Amino acid sequence: DGGITQSPKYLFRKEGQNVTLSCEQNLNHDAMYWYRQDPGQGLRLIYYSQIVNDFQKGDIAEGYSVSREKKESFPLTVTSAQKNPTAFYLCASSMRLAQGDTQYFGPGTRLTVL
Amino acid sequence: QKEVEQDPGPLSVPEGAIVSLNCTYSNSAFQYFMWYRQYSRKGPELLMYTYSSGNKEDGRFTAQVDKSSKYISLFIRDSQPSDSATYLCAMSAILIWGSQGNLIFGKGTKLSVKP
Repeated sequence: DGGITQSPKYLFRKEGQNVTLSCEQNLNHDAMYWYRQDPGQGLRLIYYSQIVNDFQKGDIAEGYSVSREKKESFPLTVTSAQKNPTAFYLCASSMRLAQGDTQYFGPGTRLTVL
Repeated sequence: QKEVEQDPGPLSVPEGAIVSLNCTYSNSAFQYFMWYRQYSRKGPELLMYTYSSGNKEDGRFTAQVDKSSKYISLFIRDSQPSDSATYLCAMSAILIWGSQGNLIFGKGTKLSVKP
């Protein structure tokens, strides 16, 4: 089955710790994205990548980092510098970073900071 | 003014009702319009995709775009309890190099269909 997988589904972190969220796709898509979703806030773009070894900051990149070493994988690290990391994180991919290309989403990771 | 405005609801209707969900936008360059459905604690899934103005129908769902009014709608006929979800509109414009991503999302409308 083609799709996007995210792991883990739930993640708990202590304050001051870095954590890495996994995102893998087997759709052969070039572009991948990370969003954060908070109640009443909609989807906010953290980082996106249009090709391997390239990525760009989105609207709320502070406190986050990413890498894109393989086409299939786009992990997101939530660093201790992120002041309010508790949220639902969604990974998405699209064939290209181009107008009209549909984004397909993974199931999400819910991160809670204790 | 935000680029995309969407009434957050919640919207509660009885089973079998016709549901109308709407978004307004300010950027006249938007050309592609999408509706996503998101069940609780799940990722959004693409429901409808429309290019430019006009209507598109898929089963009980109809997407409508009025570019002159900068207004898009999603109609659900014969609504079912399984339609209970949050509906997100999304749209994209001609990509300008260096812009941040290619989709602008509304905040979502929460719909509840009561049996």
